[in-house]
Amino acid sequence: DTEVTQTPKHLVMGMTNKKSLKCEQHMGHRAMYWYKQKAKKPPELMFVYSYEKLSINESVPSRFSPECPNSSLLNLHLHALQPEDSALYLCASSPTGGISYEQYFGPGTRLTVT
Amino acid sequence: DQQVKQNSPSLSVQEGRISILNCDYTNSMFDYFLWYKKYPAEGPTFLISISSIKDKNEDGRFTVFLNKSAKHLSLHIVPSQPGDSAVYFCAAFDDKIIFGKGTRLHILP
Repeated sequence: DTEVTQTPKHLVMGMTNKKSLKCEQHMGHRAMYWYKQKAKKPPELMFVYSYEKLSINESVPSRFSPECPNSSLLNLHLHALQPEDSALYLCASSPTGGISYEQYFGPGTRLTVT
Repeated sequence: DQQVKQNSPSLSVQEGRISILNCDYTNSMFDYFLWYKKYPAEGPTFLISISSIKDKNEDGRFTVFLNKSAKHLSLHIVPSQPGDSAVYFCAAFDDKIIFGKGTRLHILP
């Protein structure tokens, strides 16, 4: 298995909802990442997990809460989001712990906040 | 302020010809420069990298050139093929990846 999977592909949620995005990889990678990509903008790093521990939080609002239950799984819990949080959320992984420039990306979850 | 700039939102090239995608950066401390390729409905895919101490790296049809004095890098694809039609992100790596906005490449038949 050489891919990063993300579910769901699309998500529409209200500002009072609680939802979660899921990312999975079975390549034995030890670092996992969440990125946010707005339309016509580049992907921007949100969080990095290295060896299942949060190593980087790029000053992301607390309404986004990451979780790494095990080395293959990364979740992003969403609560009380704003319409401006609508974006494509990309998950990535890399083989070694610590941030690497060679990252394997999933297809993303397109989130719409209404 | 953008640290990695791709000033051409799109580029059209005839099949078989050379595609040249350009990128400028502002921070001379970046360790590596990267190109990622993205098809619709897929995540970005790592294509090729170059260390800041090199000026050229080649991998098959793809060559990246780095001009440190001009803070400029370019990706050459030759010959261009229909499957090369995609969005190409230039990126730089220091303690994280910083992406440019991307250039959409269209390969014309």
